[in-house]
Amino acid sequence: DIVMTQSPDSLTVSLGERATINCKSSQSVLYSSNNKNCLSWYQQKPGQPPNLLISWASTRESGVPDRFSGTGSGTDFTLTINSLQAEDVAVYYCQQCYDTPYTFGQGTKLEIK
Amino acid sequence: EVQLVESGGGLVQPGGSLRLSCAASGFTFSSHWMHWVRQTPGKGVVWISRINSDGGTSNYADPVKGRFTISRDNAKNTLYLQMNSLRAEDTAVYYCARGPYAFDIWGQGTMVTVSS
Repeated sequence: DIVMTQSPDSLTVSLGERATINCKSSQSVLYSSNNKNCLSWYQQKPGQPPNLLISWASTRESGVPDRFSGTGSGTDFTLTINSLQAEDVAVYYCQQCYDTPYTFGQGTKLEIK
Repeated sequence: EVQLVESGGGLVQPGGSLRLSCAASGFTFSSHWMHWVRQTPGKGVVWISRINSDGGTSNYADPVKGRFTISRDNAKNTLYLQMNSLRAEDTAVYYCARGPYAFDIWGQGTMVTVSS
């Protein structure tokens, strides 16, 4: 199984500042067929299911604010949230879809300072 | 409105069975891979199964292989998860989600508790 490891486990950032969450996969999730990384990012707020923010490592979903961005390739990926807003408080997960079993990171809890 | 609604969760004794359902609306259900994902406070978010658009292909995570069966009825726009030989460690919130790769639509989840 591909192991997804996020860092840090928790993060406290001031309003208006930048938050950076890292995700490392135990093997490459780059599809050679389309040269895209099968890596997604989700935001989960209490009492809600995860919500897809970014797919293919860097493609923002419709309706997701442009302060959210995803970068990385191969085994190392980053979710960046610029100009942190109060509504961004949540747990964030990365997930690989390169191979089954699809696996998620352990989650990063983002709080406001 | 694009929507997934799970049902069928509840309290069951170890060794028992449950069948979860996921009713889809607002999109062409028969065109999409579908997944079941579960979440517990201790183990986080865990993918457990997927099925292709016509129901002919399915995959399972090792912890549920041989005990759980995913299926779908495209005429009823419904996804199912038959869960047999349930164990305490299967206790979780179960979500259905739309695939194939990233899960862009999720249901609100249904709680399954396995306890005597």
